[in-house]
Amino acid sequence: GAGVSQSPRYKVAKRGQDVALRCDPISGHVSLFWYQQALGQGPEFLTYFQNEAQLDKSGLPSDRFFAERPEGSVSTLKIQRTQQEDSAVYLCASSLAGPSRNEQFFGPGTRLTVL
Amino acid sequence: GENVEQHPSTLSVQEGDSAVIKCTYSDSASNYFPWYKQELGKGPQLIIDIRSNVGEKKDQRIAVTLNKTAKHFSLHITETQPEDSAVYFCAAPDQGGKLIFGQGTELSVKP
Repeated sequence: GAGVSQSPRYKVAKRGQDVALRCDPISGHVSLFWYQQALGQGPEFLTYFQNEAQLDKSGLPSDRFFAERPEGSVSTLKIQRTQQEDSAVYLCASSLAGPSRNEQFFGPGTRLTVL
Repeated sequence: GENVEQHPSTLSVQEGDSAVIKCTYSDSASNYFPWYKQELGKGPQLIIDIRSNVGEKKDQRIAVTLNKTAKHFSLHITETQPEDSAVYFCAAPDQGGKLIFGQGTELSVKP
């Protein structure tokens, strides 16, 4: 079956532009996570949804970052007024139920480069 | 909160040898420990996981061991092959359930 998909795979933005990154989770997966992965580092948590409810956004680095999942399926991560330090790979993961003790399956990521 | 340390950061082995990657965690309440393999340009792929009610789990050439008393867990790959070359990440959940990842181990298997 289809896994987690993300689009676009690559995004180049000029500093100050807004970007929107899309995640399509595995069908039927209740939980959806966004992670940020800097070059040579492990993924770092940004935010978590259970269905359409954003239950944890403690990892979002600033108020320029905003995520939504209005119908409990597709999610969008939006970054306003991008800065060079936002350059990273943004990973989306989904799991069947709640986060505790449940496998998280990752998409291929969106590589964002801010010039 | 949870803190995960992973060693070594790089590991080079000859094809056919074994590879071992070790992780320690800080939160004694953690009860689920996945390992991910990440190839260049791809997202992390779950390869094996272990839950706190068992000490060891095997899947073909891959095994994971867990020592809850010492708060560490390890990934063992036997009979390594060139296609095992990748970056491997361990992870553990914090009390909210989100995964905290180690820093990664770049494994290189030389033919």
